[in-house]
Amino acid sequence: GAGVSQSPRYKVAKRGQDVALRCDPISGHVSLFWYQQALGQGPEFLTYFQNEAQLDKSGLPSDRFFAERPEGSVSTLKIQRTQQEDSAVYLCASSSHALRTDTQYFGPGTRLTVL
Amino acid sequence: AQKITQTQPGMFVQEKEAVTLDCTYDTSDPSYGLFWYKQPSSGEMIFLIYQGSYDQQNATEGRYSLNFQKARKSANLVISASQLGDSAMYFCAMRDPYSGAGSYQLTFGKGTKLSVIP
Repeated sequence: GAGVSQSPRYKVAKRGQDVALRCDPISGHVSLFWYQQALGQGPEFLTYFQNEAQLDKSGLPSDRFFAERPEGSVSTLKIQRTQQEDSAVYLCASSSHALRTDTQYFGPGTRLTVL
Repeated sequence: AQKITQTQPGMFVQEKEAVTLDCTYDTSDPSYGLFWYKQPSSGEMIFLIYQGSYDQQNATEGRYSLNFQKARKSANLVISASQLGDSAMYFCAMRDPYSGAGSYQLTFGKGTKLSVIP
């Protein structure tokens, strides 16, 4: 079946612009995660949704970062007033339930470059 | 806080040979899960193998096996019969303890870049 998809794959923004990154999880998956991957590093957790509820946003680096999943499927990560330090790959992952044993399946990521 | 350490920034292996990628971890939680993911240059993180802390046997998935040594807190990935398509970044990750907020996010190491030589 279809995996996790993300769009756009690449985004270039001028400093100060707002951006919106989209994630389409695997159909029916309850859990959705956003991660940020800086160049040469492993991914770092940003936020978590269980259906439409955002249960954990402890990894969001500032109040310029906002995420939503209004109908419990597609999710959008929005970054306001982008800064150069926001340049990274943003990865979305989904898992079938909210169980400890679930495997997270990742999308291809969105590479954001802030000039 | 949990920590994952991958000490090999880069590794080379001859095609058809086996290779071991190292991963050590630190946690105070007795119940945890360890994962390995592959990230090709295309960017997608591909799930390879999972090991639970209470699993009696080492996990295996095709050419991938996990050398799990609980007392040493190591979870090394073994790839047998390397192929050119195995060239990629490999990340070890641990599932965080239950945060109370309902999420089981992953903590990743910095990765190892594997290059398979023809």
